[in-house]
Amino acid sequence: LAKTTQPISMDSYEGQEVNITCSHNNIATNDYITWYQQFPSQGPRFIIQGYKTKVTNEVASLFIPADRKSSTLSLPRVSLSDTAVYYCLVVGPNTGFQKLVFGTGTRLLVSP
Amino acid sequence: KAGVTQTPRYLIKTRGQQVTLSCSPISGHRSVSWYQQTPGQGLQFLFEYFSETQRNKGNFPGRFSGRQFSNSRSEMNVSTLELGDSALYLCASSLERGGEEKLFFGSGTQLSVL
Repeated sequence: LAKTTQPISMDSYEGQEVNITCSHNNIATNDYITWYQQFPSQGPRFIIQGYKTKVTNEVASLFIPADRKSSTLSLPRVSLSDTAVYYCLVVGPNTGFQKLVFGTGTRLLVSP
Repeated sequence: KAGVTQTPRYLIKTRGQQVTLSCSPISGHRSVSWYQQTPGQGLQFLFEYFSETQRNKGNFPGRFSGRQFSNSRSEMNVSTLELGDSALYLCASSLERGGEEKLFFGSGTQLSVL
C-alpha cells in the first residue's frame, strides 16, 4: 500500500485558494488518489478521486503530475465552512479494507 | 437517495456493559464497513461485511463483533466495555467492495464509556 504524507495543518482566510499536497512515492500503476473531508463528530465525506492529470468537480480540483508521486487538492475561494480535516488516500483494486489508512490528515482552519 | 444512517447518535455506557450499534447503508449498497475513530489513533478499520458475510477484519479483539442482515443493514456489538472503547464509531457503505470505490460514511455513534 502506498504510504501518503500530507501536512498536519494549514491556515487560510476566506476567499483564498487552498492547495493541499499529498506525497505518495510508492503509488502502484492501478492505484487512484482519493480525498475525503471530515468535520468534527461526522463521518468522512468523499470529495474527489483521480488517476492522472486533472480532475475537477463542483467542490474541488485534483492535480496529479505525470509521475503520480504526489497530488494536490485545490479548494477555490474557501469559506469558513471548509474548516475540516482532509485525508488523502491511495486506493486500488488490491486495496483491502485492512490497508485503508486514513492517517492523521491535514487540518485546515479558515479564518474570517 | 437517503444516506448512511447510524443509530444511536450518542451513547453512554459503563465499564463491563455491552453495546449494539446499528447502521443502515445506502439503498443498493451491499458492502458495509465499520471503523473506530479516536483522537490518538485516528480512523481504524474494524470489519467489513458483504452479503451477510464478514469478508475483512481489522486488528481488534474478539469483544468487537458484527453482523449483516439480508437487507444489508449491519450491527456492531462490543461486549465487556473498557474505558478505551470510548470513540466515534463510523460505518460506511459502498456498492461492492470498497477499495477504489467511494465510501459513503454515516455521521457515527459517539460512545462514551464511564
